[in-house]
Amino acid sequence: DIVMTQSPDSLAVSLGERATINCKSSQSVFHSSNNKNYLAWYQQKPGQPPKLLIYWASTRESGVPDRFSGSGSGTDFSLTISSLQAEDVAVYHCQHYYTAPYTFGQGTKLEIK
Amino acid sequence: EVQLVESGGGLVQPGGSLRLSCAVSGFTFSTYEMNWVRQAPGKGLEWVSYITTSSSTIYYADSVKGRFTISRDNARNSLYLQMNSLRAEDTAIYYCVRGRGSTTVWGQGTLVTVSS
Repeated sequence: DIVMTQSPDSLAVSLGERATINCKSSQSVFHSSNNKNYLAWYQQKPGQPPKLLIYWASTRESGVPDRFSGSGSGTDFSLTISSLQAEDVAVYHCQHYYTAPYTFGQGTKLEIK
Repeated sequence: EVQLVESGGGLVQPGGSLRLSCAVSGFTFSTYEMNWVRQAPGKGLEWVSYITTSSSTIYYADSVKGRFTISRDNARNSLYLQMNSLRAEDTAIYYCVRGRGSTTVWGQGTLVTVSS
């Protein structure tokens, strides 16, 4: 099974500053047949289900603000919020969808400093 | 509008059973793979099970294998999760999730509490 490990577990960033969350997979989630990384990022606010932000490691979901970006390949990935807004306070989860079981990272709680 | 509405959660004693349902609308259910994902109170997300469009391929997390059964009825636009031999550690919000990656859409979830 592929183990997903996020860092840090929690993060406090000032409004307008950059926030970066990392996600590492125990095996590569890059598929050479289509040159894609099977990695997604979700945002979850209290009392709500997760919301898809990024898929294929770097493709932004429709309607997601462009301050959110995803990067990385193989086993190392990052989610960056270029200028933190108050509404970005949430827990962020990475998940691979390369091969079952489609495991999640443990989540990263993002707060305002 | 795409909608996934879970139902069937509730309080059940250890060793008991529950059947969760997910009714979908706003998209062609029969053309999408589906998943169940759960979240224990205050914890992270745990993928539980996956089913292909024709039910030909099914996967389970090791934590539920042999106790939970995923199924779907494409004619009724519904996904199911039969949960047997429930344990305290199965207490969680259970989410019905469409697809993987770019096709992912989540329901609002249904709470399952396993307690005596």
